[in-house]
Amino acid sequence: GENVEQHPSTLSVQEGDSAVIKCTYSDSASNYFPWYKQELGKRPQLIIDIRSNVGEKKDQRIAVTLNKTAKHFSLHITETQPEDSAVYFCAAKGPNTGNQFYFGTGTSLTVIP
Amino acid sequence: DAGITQSPRHKVTETGTPVTLRCHQTENHRYMYWYRQDPGHGLRLIHYSYGVKDTDKGEVSDGYSVSRSKTEDFLLTLESATSSQTSVYFCAINADRGLTEAFFGQGTRLTVV
Repeated sequence: GENVEQHPSTLSVQEGDSAVIKCTYSDSASNYFPWYKQELGKRPQLIIDIRSNVGEKKDQRIAVTLNKTAKHFSLHITETQPEDSAVYFCAAKGPNTGNQFYFGTGTSLTVIP
Repeated sequence: DAGITQSPRHKVTETGTPVTLRCHQTENHRYMYWYRQDPGHGLRLIHYSYGVKDTDKGEVSDGYSVSRSKTEDFLLTLESATSSQTSVYFCAINADRGLTEAFFGQGTRLTVV
């Protein structure tokens, strides 16, 4: 089955700096890669996703890049703010996963004011 | 937010007792999932359903069973609760096999004493 690895597990940045979280996947057929943000005590919520037919997608301060050859994708947050502090999860899904989502183990991001 | 609710939100139970968690959706989505979330492990799939009475195991299914008698309800049962099943449980739904995200319920915090 698919295997998703996520790094780093914890990340601290100064407010205004950028944060980057990286994920790798094992199944080259996977074609959908969502990113979720989970605030303390809340449910995971989608913040951005990318499909395998594009290499990059942006939404204001958030961007995701995908390298299909290397089988890795990354989340980029620019101009970080304290409200960006949360746990972020990457995931992968594809035709070989039986419609299952395979999640990374999460990155705890702390933005220091 | 997608129409998905979990009940109960919190539960404390004793070792050896059966426990049932309920996930209810109003979106008429075909796919439903149960995950458990533990520190350092991210979101791990317990069981999922791809239709009424159609279910399959995930990576951590031992000690758990599920049932889906109606499109809108997906039940997770711990046959005989153990302390290792103390966790936060999330239900999620997904519309189809396409390139779309999963929506999560609010979570159930289960403590087995």
